[in-house]
Amino acid sequence: DAGVIQSPRHEVTEMGQEVTLRCKPISGHDYLFWYRQTMMRGLELLIYFNNNVPIDDSGMPEDRFSAKMPNASFSTLKIQPSEPRDSAVYFCASSLVTGGHEQFFGPGTRLTVL
Amino acid sequence: DAKTTQPPSMDCAEGRAANLPCNHSTISGNEYVYWYRQIHSQGPQYIIHGLKNNETNEMASLIITEDRKSSTLILPHATLRDTAVYYCIVRVAGRDDKIIFGKGTRLHILP
Repeated sequence: DAGVIQSPRHEVTEMGQEVTLRCKPISGHDYLFWYRQTMMRGLELLIYFNNNVPIDDSGMPEDRFSAKMPNASFSTLKIQPSEPRDSAVYFCASSLVTGGHEQFFGPGTRLTVL
Repeated sequence: DAKTTQPPSMDCAEGRAANLPCNHSTISGNEYVYWYRQIHSQGPQYIIHGLKNNETNEMASLIITEDRKSSTLILPHATLRDTAVYYCIVRVAGRDDKIIFGKGTRLHILP
C-alpha cells in the first residue's frame, strides 16, 4: 500500500482565498483524522471520521474550516476564507478500529497564507 | 486522556541505548501507553504500545512499571536517523479514538 496520500504537498495562497487540502487514507482503514501543526500550538487534532461520518469536530478552529469525507477513500479539509494565522502543516492520518488502533500519518501539506 | 510528562529534550551518543522516560501517574486501568515519533518535516510515526507487560518490536522496547505510573521507551542502538521528537500518549485503544499529542521529548543523537 502507498500509505496515506495528501495533496498538495505545498500550498501558497493569499489571504481571503479558498484552500482545499486532500487526503486519501490507507485502503480498508475506517478512521480518518485531520491534524494541524504549528510551532506555537504543536500538533492539534481538528476532526476525525469513522466510516465517513464525522465523530468529533471540536478541534475545528472556527466556521471558516470545514471537512468532508464523501467516500471511504477521500477526504477534504477546506478553509474559506483563509487567513495568515492558518499557515501550518496539515496532516491526515488513518487507522483501523481493530488491533492496536495505531494511526498512520501522511506526509502533510505545508500551507502558507500571505 | 490521562496526561503525560516527558523531558523536553535529551541527548544520546550514536550506538548507545536511548532511554526516554514518561510519567503518567493518573493512567486508568484500561488505558494503553503509546509512543509515536516525528522526524523533522515528516508525519508522526507509530512506534509501539503496551498495557502493562513489557513490549518489544523491531523498532524499540517499552518498559512499563508495575504500578503503570511511568514507562520508558528504549531504542537499543540509536542512530542519527533516530533524531526526532518522541511523544508518549495514554489512551483507551479501540474506544477512545483520539490521540492528544503533548510536547514530547526532542531526542538528539550525537555522532
